Amino acid sequence: NAGVTQTPKFRVLKTGQSMTLLCAQDMNHEYMYWYRQDPGMGLRLIHYSVGEGTTAKGEVPDGYNVSRLKKQNFLLGLESAAPSQTSVYFCASSYSRTGGADTEAFFGQGTRLTVV
Amino acid sequence: GEDVEQSLFLSVREGDSSVINCTYTDSSSTYLYWYKQEPGAGLQLLTYIFSNMDMKQDQRLTVLLNKKDKHLSLRIADTQTGDSAIYFCAERIDRGSTLGRLYFGRGTQLTVWP
Repeated sequence: NAGVTQTPKFRVLKTGQSMTLLCAQDMNHEYMYWYRQDPGMGLRLIHYSVGEGTTAKGEVPDGYNVSRLKKQNFLLGLESAAPSQTSVYFCASSYSRTGGADTEAFFGQGTRLTVV
Repeated sequence: GEDVEQSLFLSVREGDSSVINCTYTDSSSTYLYWYKQEPGAGLQLLTYIFSNMDMKQDQRLTVLLNKKDKHLSLRIADTQTGDSAIYFCAERIDRGSTLGRLYFGRGTQLTVWP
């Protein structure tokens, strides 16, 4: 059981370049999330999805786009990368519709992105 | 809004107890969680508590919830050097458009000295 898998694990981009981060989960979870983690800032939600074909903005959505064409995949796109987007990006998924341990979020190992 | 606050740093000696505190603002939270992040890794769930509980114990971990004061704490007994990590408090909100969303604190860096 792979859980939540993020690709790539590391990437260096030049300012203005574009890229897509892929998140895949094999737990049949309804909800998926993209967070960024910066020193002293904790985790900040970029975008999230409550189901296939739906997406919603989080706290810091500017400069990012997302798509959830398949339930198991959640893509995060940077159309024109900026140095301020240098960060560690985490994807997470959860079931969320019922109580108990099903509510926990499972996290990927992170993608370290540097924009120069 | 939904704010989750934690102190940023905590240092303890090996064998002592650690207490990490968290406050939150939204009284409609249904579950509260503690996640652990080791260097270079993602977050892993340590424990969680349902909002109608006061306390939950799981081996060395004790979670206390004061819903009136919106205060959550995590106590680690007999802290070991392997417990050094960042600990995140999170609350789950089930209300309208935020159904199922998790809100995280900034994390508390726990350092355990031998």
